[in-house]
Amino acid sequence: AQTVTQSQPEMSVQEAETVTLSCTYDTSESDYYLFWYKQPPSRQMILVIRQEAYKQQNATENRFSVNFQKAAKSFSLKISDSQLGDAAMYFCAYRPFRYNTDKLIFGTGTRLQVFP
Amino acid sequence: EPEVTQTPSHQVTQMGQEVILRCVPISNHLYFYWYRQILGQKVEFLVSFYNNEISEKSEIFDDQFSVERPDGSNFTLKIRSTKLEDSAMYFCASSEVYGYTFGSGTRLTVV
Repeated sequence: AQTVTQSQPEMSVQEAETVTLSCTYDTSESDYYLFWYKQPPSRQMILVIRQEAYKQQNATENRFSVNFQKAAKSFSLKISDSQLGDAAMYFCAYRPFRYNTDKLIFGTGTRLQVFP
Repeated sequence: EPEVTQTPSHQVTQMGQEVILRCVPISNHLYFYWYRQILGQKVEFLVSFYNNEISEKSEIFDDQFSVERPDGSNFTLKIRSTKLEDSAMYFCASSEVYGYTFGSGTRLTVV
């Protein structure tokens, strides 16, 4: 069964600094998608970034980028120039690329605090 | 930007009562989902729905749960006889192909 592990329950960063959140996953599939979701105190789940496993190039969205290491089954999120509004729970999620399932499997989350 | 809308944002119900959680997915999306998040825990898949039928469900989604798309725009989750352990945040999501959009959730409190 596929699993997603986030080994950092909490992280903190100074405003304007860079922080990296870790995520590893376990799968026997070769094609899949990986996601990072942000959950602010409002509890809404907001997509931050998405990576397709067949793409070697790491995804980037403005200040957010990933380091996707397929062989190591690692998918870390780097937040550059951290802002106070980045404070939230961050969930890593996996989705297989198969016709008969499209459910997301989530990690347990990392709570990010941003200090001024 | 299109949104997934969930109502109500917070519902309190007595144990044993039926509740219906409502969602309006993004209009051109074809796939619909319910997830739940017990406070402080990870987000868990409940059910996916495509072409007016359940396409996949988890072990959590037992006979107490049902989903329906009654009128082509709403997507509902019904819990027939709520238990204390059903207290959680329930998220609806919709998808066109592989990009999920989540609603802002309904906090269900069973007392």
